[in-house]
Amino acid sequence: DSGVTQTPKHLITATGQRVTLRCSPRSGDLSVYWYQQSLDQGLQFLIQYYNGEERAKGNILERFSAQQFPDLHSELNLSSLELGDSALYFCASSVSGNSGNTIYFGEGSWLTVV
Amino acid sequence: GQQLNQSPQSMFIQEGEDVSMNCTSSSIFNTWLWYKQDPGEGPVLLIALYKAGELTSNGRLTAQFGITRKDSFLNISASIPSDVGIYFCAGQEDYKLSFGAGTTVTVRA
Repeated sequence: DSGVTQTPKHLITATGQRVTLRCSPRSGDLSVYWYQQSLDQGLQFLIQYYNGEERAKGNILERFSAQQFPDLHSELNLSSLELGDSALYFCASSVSGNSGNTIYFGEGSWLTVV
Repeated sequence: GQQLNQSPQSMFIQEGEDVSMNCTSSSIFNTWLWYKQDPGEGPVLLIALYKAGELTSNGRLTAQFGITRKDSFLNISASIPSDVGIYFCAGQEDYKLSFGAGTTVTVRA
């Protein structure tokens, strides 16, 4: 158990819909990351937050957004869903987000778009 | 994002054998990391490397950070059935991790 909690574990939804994935980082970690894992793209960095503020952006679509709340939990919002958005979405956390800090991954949220 | 070339893509190994996999990149990284992912789980950190030339062990695992900072390898010695899984290399630069495509390891009993 990494200490990073993600909900829901599995989600099936229709195209065009919107979903929210939730993440609670490890106790004491200020930085939260979101990754997407798909068969064809592998593990892709989406976005990082540190202490409530966006710190880095990766390959995140405009239809996707995220935020980190004052209690440090984070949500990833996926809207206007397409079949190709079906993937495993991981949240990860680290103490400060600087290079050299260990990044711990949650177990992921399986999203299936039908 | 950065492109990491991880090889081999998959391997079948005999229990007790030593295993080696590597990652190369066209870019320099400050940190190299090796993760293992079991089915239905998130990636779990195995070894972190912070300095060029660094050689680090974690039990039967040994990894090295290449001198050029553009490559790393992971060795697993005396493989056992629970070594089955997908191993990912990752390079860290600033706040971002870039992952290799993974090496799927299957152990023949």
